[in-house]
Amino acid sequence: SQQGEEDPQALSIQEGENATMNCSYKTSINNLQWYRQNSGRGLVHLILIRSNEREKHSGRLRVTLDTSKKSSSLLITASRAADTASYFCAVNTGRRALTFGSGTRLQVQP
Amino acid sequence: EAGVAQSPRYKIIEKRQSVAFWCNPISGHATLYWYQQILGQGPKLLIQFQNNGVVDDSQLPKDRFSAERLKGVDSTLKIQPAKLEDSAVYLCASSGEGRQSGNIQYFGAGTRLSVL
Repeated sequence: SQQGEEDPQALSIQEGENATMNCSYKTSINNLQWYRQNSGRGLVHLILIRSNEREKHSGRLRVTLDTSKKSSSLLITASRAADTASYFCAVNTGRRALTFGSGTRLQVQP
Repeated sequence: EAGVAQSPRYKIIEKRQSVAFWCNPISGHATLYWYQQILGQGPKLLIQFQNNGVVDDSQLPKDRFSAERLKGVDSTLKIQPAKLEDSAVYLCASSGEGRQSGNIQYFGAGTRLSVL
């Protein structure tokens, strides 16, 4: 079964607006990661947040983690047309591979 | 640093035919993964290698899928015979060792398979 489930499934915003995506998961984790996938391409790692962290920033990205609610959010500030992509959360529960959600498709209108 | 290389980028076959995909991970990465990504879904793990040993192949349909990683470097994934539902993008990823890596994975561009 899917560990990470993203919400919303699709999001359309105007350039310059902020985009927020949410992720819920089911079990204890070591860390949670967010990846981006442009159409027809592989996934690219964006940011990792460990289970003992609550918030992390990287450029225009802000990730929060609430382990009590088993949820995370990804905020992209001042979005650009180039941010148009699918965004996936992935949970790391140990040595085994990441478990990915079904993704949020973000469309940023110029 | 060279990324994860995959070939071919696209493949079209008829059902019941066989197909093979190739992956070369980032140099020095001991762990290699094959994922299947069906349109509109997230990647699903098929098999994970640590060096040339299998760590997890619980979701690999072993009646038709096989994978190997001889010499612990590059890897091949084979489907024989293919079914219509195997149409998907097959992604290869690799990751480095140690706690510092956090199991961050580096993905290739994928092979898009269409089974007709």
